Amino acid sequence: DTAVSQTPKYLVTQMGNDKSIKCEQNLGHDTMYWYKQDSKKFLKIMFSYNNKELIINETVPNRFSPKSPDKAHLNLHINSLELGDSAVYFCASSLAGGENTEAFFGQGTRLTVV
Amino acid sequence: AQSVSQHNHHVILSEAASLELGCNYSYGGTVNLFWYVQYPGQHLQLLLKYFSGDPLVKGIKGFEAEFIKSKFSFNLRKPSVQWSDTAEYFCAVNGRGNKLVFGAGTILRVKS
Repeated sequence: DTAVSQTPKYLVTQMGNDKSIKCEQNLGHDTMYWYKQDSKKFLKIMFSYNNKELIINETVPNRFSPKSPDKAHLNLHINSLELGDSAVYFCASSLAGGENTEAFFGQGTRLTVV
Repeated sequence: AQSVSQHNHHVILSEAASLELGCNYSYGGTVNLFWYVQYPGQHLQLLLKYFSGDPLVKGIKGFEAEFIKSKFSFNLRKPSVQWSDTAEYFCAVNGRGNKLVFGAGTILRVKS
């Protein structure tokens, strides 16, 4: 049973295209995140949702739009893809507050823009 | 704002050597602290965590970390590394607002 699952695992696309990455968690968590890991392996938070509400929106281009249809899903849509968007995108989930705030990560989606 | 700094980006050790990876954070309030490991080609996995209580935390695979509040530090240690410990290690802090912020990561290579 995969706790946090992302699809697709690999995505190769041309500049200018629009693409989506899906994320689902079956842990009953109320908070979900998107992180970007660049070529230097630096891991940077992009968005965080709590109970379907956006609570963190870091400095990310408007071309990136997260959507959370329910607590178990957080999808990431990217418009007009650019070369610099190539990276590994990780979805994660956790429980807000309390003793169990550790985050569980998905396998990552390696996006390559050509 | 929360931030995390990890002192070394690359560390190379021989098997059986001792390991200490530095992590300092900036946040004035109560924090939860984590070390995650990312093996080559894999996703992040939790090594250990600190929420409260004993500042010396033991995790999986023989790793431990010590929370020193006065120094805003949460250094990771292992007495004797193995080749299989080759990975990237991330320190992370979760303060107010449930924002889990990561350090830049330390790539550890263990030579056999």
